Amino acid sequence: DSGVTQTPKHLITATGQRVTLRCSPRSGDLSVYWYQQSLDQGLQFLIQYYNGEERAKGNILERFSAQQFPDLHSELNLSSLELGDSALYFCASSVQWGAGEKLFFGSGTQLSVL
Amino acid sequence: GQSLEQPSEVTAVEGAIVQINCTYQTSGFYGLSWYQQHDGGAPTFLSYNALDGLEETGRFSSFLSRSDSYGYLLLQELQMKDSASYFCAVRDQDDKIIFGKGTRLHILP
Repeated sequence: DSGVTQTPKHLITATGQRVTLRCSPRSGDLSVYWYQQSLDQGLQFLIQYYNGEERAKGNILERFSAQQFPDLHSELNLSSLELGDSALYFCASSVQWGAGEKLFFGSGTQLSVL
Repeated sequence: GQSLEQPSEVTAVEGAIVQINCTYQTSGFYGLSWYQQHDGGAPTFLSYNALDGLEETGRFSSFLSRSDSYGYLLLQELQMKDSASYFCAVRDQDDKIIFGKGTRLHILP
C-alpha cells in the first residue's frame, strides 16, 4: 500500500458527461501529480500541484481541470467526455518537488466512457 | 521535443540477467528514475540516478551516463515475479516528470 488513496476505483459513464476523480496523498506529501495511462501506452503527465499551487502542466486537455485543496487532497475534473478519454488515471504524491523525489502512486481510477 | 526511448519488449530466462535501456532527450535534466508496473497495478519506484555511474539495490541496478543521455536498468537473478513493465522517467526544466512508454519484460521458465 503506497499510502495514496484514489476514488473511485472504477467509473463508467457516457459521452458528454462530467466526472470528478479524487486523490488523497500520503500523509506529509505536498506534491500531487496526475497521469493518464491508455491501453499499452505509457504514463502521460497531466498536471502537478505543490502545496495548493499548480507547479507544472503537461498536455492536459482544456476539458480537463484539476485543483489541490488546503488539506492537500486533489481532484481531477473531466468534462464533455469522449470515448478516447477512457483510460486509467493515476495520482501520485511526493514529499516535495525537486531532483531525486520518489513518486508514490495510487491504485488508479479506471474510467470507461461508453 | 522531449522524449524517452526504451524498447517496447524484452524477453529473458528465469535466473538470467537482463538490461533495459533508456535514452532521453529533454530540456533540462535532473536525474533518471525507474518504475515497475505489474499488470493491473500501479507503478512503484525502483531507483534514481542523478550522477553518472551505477546504483545498486539488491538484484536491481541502475546506470546513468549524462554525457550520452543514456541509462539502463539491470535486473539480475531474474524471477518470474519480475515479469512486468518497466518505465524510465525524467524531470525536465519545466518540472514535468515525463515517463517513457515502458518496456514489457517477459520471463521464460
